Amino acid sequence: GNSVTQMEGPVTLSEEAFLTINCTYTATGYPSLFWYVQYPGEGLQLLLKATKADDKGSNKGFEATYRKETTSFHLEKGSVQVSDSAVYFCALSDQTGAQKLVFGQGTRLTINP
Amino acid sequence: NAGVTQTPKFRVLKTGQSMTLLCAQDMNHEYMYWYRQDPGMGLRLIHYSVGEGTTAKGEVPDGYNVSRLKKQNFLLGLESAAPSQTSVYFCASSPHSGGTSTDTQYFGPGTRLTVL
Repeated sequence: GNSVTQMEGPVTLSEEAFLTINCTYTATGYPSLFWYVQYPGEGLQLLLKATKADDKGSNKGFEATYRKETTSFHLEKGSVQVSDSAVYFCALSDQTGAQKLVFGQGTRLTINP
Repeated sequence: NAGVTQTPKFRVLKTGQSMTLLCAQDMNHEYMYWYRQDPGMGLRLIHYSVGEGTTAKGEVPDGYNVSRLKKQNFLLGLESAAPSQTSVYFCASSPHSGGTSTDTQYFGPGTRLTVL
């Protein structure tokens, strides 16, 4: 079945550091890939997405590129801020009409000033 | 627009008690989902619905039932709660765009349930 694996956390960085959170997937066919973010006490919200190989999703300074050859969708940001502290989830959408999401386990990110 | 709302925000149950979690969306979305979030396991799909009057099982459906009598509402029921159902429950909705897999899911704020 489909699955998503994220790098284990928690991750702690200083403000303005470079961020990478690794995500790899296993899927049949060509899923769409997503990064969702969960701020403390809130529900998940979409951060970025990519729908086909070599697509790059970007939002709020974050980027991720859909790499079919390595089945990866790593999240990057060049200079993190304290406000980026949150839990980040990588997910894929299956190819059925129901658009069900399969999530990774989440990575907790803390940015220190 | 309120988006996706969930009721209640918190609940404590005793083993064997029953309850219903309500999810409501005002975006006229066709698809709705219920997930549970447990530490270190991400979100797992419990049940979902692709339209009014339809429901289907997800990855972890045992111990739960759902109903979608109205398009805007999706109810999750626990008939006899167990401590293993202690979790944070999230509802989500998504529009339907001709069968593509690209539509965003919009999440509610969650319900924290503790079963003693």
